[in-house]
Amino acid sequence: DIVMTQSPDSLAVSLGERATINCKSSHSVLYSSNNKNYLAWYQQKPGQPPKLLIYWASTRESGVPDRFSGSGSGTDFALTISSLQAEDVAVYYCQQYFGTPPTFGQGTKLEIK
Amino acid sequence: EVQLVESGGGLVQPGGSLRLSCAASGFTFSSSWMHWVRQAPGKGLVWVSRINDEGSTSNYADSVQGRFTISRDNAKSTLYLQMTSLRAEDTAVYYCARLAAPGHNYYMDVWGKGTTVTVSS
Repeated sequence: DIVMTQSPDSLAVSLGERATINCKSSHSVLYSSNNKNYLAWYQQKPGQPPKLLIYWASTRESGVPDRFSGSGSGTDFALTISSLQAEDVAVYYCQQYFGTPPTFGQGTKLEIK
Repeated sequence: EVQLVESGGGLVQPGGSLRLSCAASGFTFSSSWMHWVRQAPGKGLVWVSRINDEGSTSNYADSVQGRFTISRDNAKSTLYLQMTSLRAEDTAVYYCARLAAPGHNYYMDVWGKGTTVTVSS
């Protein structure tokens, strides 16, 4: 199985500041034939299901604010929130869909400082 | 509106069985690959099972292989998860999720609100 490791486990950022969450995979999730990274990011607020934010490592899902961006390739990825808003408090998960089984990172809890 | 609604969760004794359902609406269910993902209390997301659009191919996590069975009824736009020989460690919120496109290698773009399964005596 491909192991996904996120860092940090928790993060406190001031409102309006930048937040960056990292995700590392134990195997490359870049498919060379189409040059796509099979990596998604999800946001989960308390008591709610996960919500898709980013797919193909850097494509923002429709309706997701442009302060959210994804970057990286191969085995190292990042989710960046350019200017943290109060409603961004949540747990964020990366997930690879390159291999079977699909696997998630352990989650990063984002709070307001 | 695209929607997934899970049901069938509850309290069950160790060794017992339960069948979860996921009713889909607002999209062409018969063309969609579907997953079950679970989340134990206070823990992260763990993939459980996947089924293709026709219901002819399925995969399972090692932890549930041989105990859980995923199936679907495209005429009813409903996904199922039959769970047997339940253990305490199966206690979790179970989510159904849609793959963004047919095929193994896609992300999950629509999630239900989940149904809670508690395995305890």
